[in-house]
Amino acid sequence: QITLKESGPTLVKPTQTLTLTCTFSGFSLSTSGAGVGWIRQPPGKAVEWLAVIYWNDNKRYSPSLKSRLTITKDTSKNQVVLTMTNMDPVDTATYFCAHRRGATDNGGNFDPWGQGTLVTVSS
Amino acid sequence: QSVLTQPPSVSGAPGQRVTISCTGSYSNIGTNYDVHWYQHLPGTAPKLLIYGNNRPSGVPDRFSGSKSGTSSSLAITGLQAEDEADYYCQCYDISLSGYVFGTGTKVTVL
Repeated sequence: QITLKESGPTLVKPTQTLTLTCTFSGFSLSTSGAGVGWIRQPPGKAVEWLAVIYWNDNKRYSPSLKSRLTITKDTSKNQVVLTMTNMDPVDTATYFCAHRRGATDNGGNFDPWGQGTLVTVSS
Repeated sequence: QSVLTQPPSVSGAPGQRVTISCTGSYSNIGTNYDVHWYQHLPGTAPKLLIYGNNRPSGVPDRFSGSKSGTSSSLAITGLQAEDEADYYCQCYDISLSGYVFGTGTKVTVL
């Protein structure tokens, strides 16, 4: 059974850097085809894909946020970390991490998802 | 910003059939990449409902997905009260080299 859980601050100030950790079990990020993605959902809005990291350390970022995002993995700890710089109130959202199902370092879907963590950006 | 367009809402009476469209382009749905659908109940984690033309174990066969050209559809037959939720489509976009989600559709059971 695959499970994922997000952790990090619930409140950050504008201009600060957000660091979120996804701790997972039930699979290894060293297994060919494995991946972990981050998706967010602002209150009352649609979900938005942010970034993904694959078993081979290839990474993909949302073009609109690429300059602010960094995704890394620690295979030994079964963790994936997402950092987002220069936080703004519009970045207030629930942030989810999810297991990426697929065979290659592109395509596929996200299943399952973590429960999500609400991050509020406010001074 | 969402690259895949869905109707904001659809509704139907219990037992009816509803469909949700997902319109993309040549660089996502129009490719060989599958379209996937998620069901999202507020306060919970989104759940994979359809992957390509398949259903994960445990998903009722009332749910089905299809794809034609640059569009995809999710059909729910025999609508039930428990189907009231938000639904999102998702695909991979070769121009963006990343994943795209739909704008989301709220299904209301009358």
